[in-house]
Amino acid sequence: EAGVAQSPRYKIIEKRQSVAFWCNPISGHATLYWYQQILGQGPKLLIQFQNNGVVDDSQLPKDRFSAERLKGVDSTLKIQPAKLEDSAVYLCASSLDVDSRSGELFFGEGSRLTVL
Amino acid sequence: AQSVAQPEDQVNVAEGNPLTVKCTYSVSGNPYLFWYVQYPNRGLQFLLKYITGDNLVKGSYGFEAEFNKSQTSFHLKKPSALVSDSALYFCAILRYSSASKIIFGSGTRLSIRP
Repeated sequence: EAGVAQSPRYKIIEKRQSVAFWCNPISGHATLYWYQQILGQGPKLLIQFQNNGVVDDSQLPKDRFSAERLKGVDSTLKIQPAKLEDSAVYLCASSLDVDSRSGELFFGEGSRLTVL
Repeated sequence: AQSVAQPEDQVNVAEGNPLTVKCTYSVSGNPYLFWYVQYPNRGLQFLLKYITGDNLVKGSYGFEAEFNKSQTSFHLKKPSALVSDSALYFCAILRYSSASKIIFGSGTRLSIRP
């Protein structure tokens, strides 16, 4: 079974530039998550999709971050303009269940962003 | 709101010795608790979960966790540590709001010395 695919694995940009990350979840998984993991911290949930609808984006800095999930499958997370504090690993995860209660999230390897 | 805390940033254990990685939780109602592991340059991997039932739950790679309601703890354990267990471990909890979501602790780095 193919896992969660993310790209790019690494990205270096200057502040005020824009960047986009792509995620392809496991086939058939209803829920897709984007987490931000800053060095030395635990993952922080940015946005959660159920199929192609947003169920939680309370921690997403909406003035600069945006995300969409096309046709309930792939997802893109965009940052525009980037700030130094956005340097982090962006983790995409998916789960089969629609309410996260199983707790079994499948994570991709992450996209590491460095903002200079 | 439901949350977890991992009081130790780092745990060091000799190979072959038992290991414990600590986690405490805060919740109103019954908790849904989880452990994840993150190996270097890898994504997080699910280890085990507690939802209801036996207080001792078994998971992947020989790990187990003990749920203790009176102490509001969910410590991760293994009877005999391996060098390959060296990784970052995260405790997590299901938070109920308008949507259920998984909230992670700050992580504990486990280092097993040969």
